[in-house]
Amino acid sequence: SYELTQPPSVSVSPGQTARITCSGDALPKKFAYWYQQKSGRAPVLVIFEDNKRPSGIPERFSGSSSGTMATLSISAAQVDDEADYYCFSTDGRGDLRVFGRGTKLTVL
Amino acid sequence: QVQLQESGPGLVKPSQSLALTCTVSGGSITSGDFYWSWVRQPPGKGLEWLGYISYIGTTHYNPSLKSRITISIDTSKNQFSLKLNSVTAADTAVYYCARETVTIYFDHWGQGALVTVSS
Repeated sequence: SYELTQPPSVSVSPGQTARITCSGDALPKKFAYWYQQKSGRAPVLVIFEDNKRPSGIPERFSGSSSGTMATLSISAAQVDDEADYYCFSTDGRGDLRVFGRGTKLTVL
Repeated sequence: QVQLQESGPGLVKPSQSLALTCTVSGGSITSGDFYWSWVRQPPGKGLEWLGYISYIGTTHYNPSLKSRITISIDTSKNQFSLKLNSVTAADTAVYYCARETVTIYFDHWGQGALVTVSS
């Protein structure tokens, strides 16, 4: 099996930059994707292919990847950004799709 | 705008089969550019990818479920379906259907359907 490891929680004050990490052995050769999920809602893609932002996602959301770690950054974090964030990728062969366990972002 | 909607029983007895259908509207399920996927989320827990099917019926499943899961497609109805056999309480979850692009991300999701496994 393959795992992506995320911190269970991250907390920042409004206006600060939140950084959520995701580590996985295959990340040097496989893209990372990030989903935002608010309570009771379906996930929403906020970053794809490590650092690309879908249309409609604020520029405050950015992604990066280096070695076995991908990072989602949210600059000038707002209370509305409070959500669970999941990284997503595939194993080295590209067969198995895997979500990280999720990181709860608190902005207060 | 593509929309997906899950439907099926909300309560299943242990050892029985769970069956859900996803109806796709606003676009054709026969587009070759997408895979049609299932993802689930147990209450209070994280997301788990279950598997996908292409419009020609090619399937790929999460190995952790491979012996119990079947995903099928009905192009005439613009629907795809999930069947999970021999369910236990651990299969209680919100089940989402989703469209996966060729670049391996889910760009459209259903609203989710809660399925509870209980006698």
